[in-house]
Amino acid sequence: DTGVSQDPRHKITKRGQNVTFRCDPISEHNRLYWYRQTLGQGPEFLTYFQNEAQLEKSRLLSDRFSAERPKGSFSTLEIQRTEQGDSAMYLCASSHRDRGQGEQFFGPGTRLTVL
Amino acid sequence: DAKTTQPPSMDCAEGRAANLPCNHSTISGNEYVYWYRQIHSQGPQYIIHGLKNNETNEMASLIITEDRKSSTLILPHATLRDTAVYYCIARGTPDMRFGAGTRLTVKP
Repeated sequence: DTGVSQDPRHKITKRGQNVTFRCDPISEHNRLYWYRQTLGQGPEFLTYFQNEAQLEKSRLLSDRFSAERPKGSFSTLEIQRTEQGDSAMYLCASSHRDRGQGEQFFGPGTRLTVL
Repeated sequence: DAKTTQPPSMDCAEGRAANLPCNHSTISGNEYVYWYRQIHSQGPQYIIHGLKNNETNEMASLIITEDRKSSTLILPHATLRDTAVYYCIARGTPDMRFGAGTRLTVKP
């Protein structure tokens, strides 16, 4: 069990560019979550998947954001036409629906800076 | 998920117990209390959770009042590495709703 991994750890981009982040959950975890965290705030929920199905999306997830989990394993989060307000830490977490009470385990995050 | 209220900051002396309070007066019967912490620039780390009974693991103890309207996370012997932001979450849905948390500073 190597934990949740995220790639890249840091991303600097220019306003208007598209970016894509990847998350690899703990193996056999069937739930995967995306959060966003800005400086000085707690993480904010964006969306979650159960297997390959996207079950919930926050109103924070604008049309420029899209997340996929095509085979129920890794997930990608894409931001199109980035804006300076998208600068944040993007966190991924995973859990197993049927074990415990679904404790979530977080990855190290991807820090996005939009210039 | 019920709203939680935590003090914004606390200090604790190294080696002493750190007691972090959380108020969740509107918690419903099926909502668990979760605690996470986040050390600077890292992802949140799961600590402990409970429903009604007090819980203990290798990291901490969780004391939940009988009416479940508040809880206390106890780090029995705080070390400098326990300096972090601690989040209390009352959760009934799959996702976690984090507040601003308590910034705990352990001082030598």
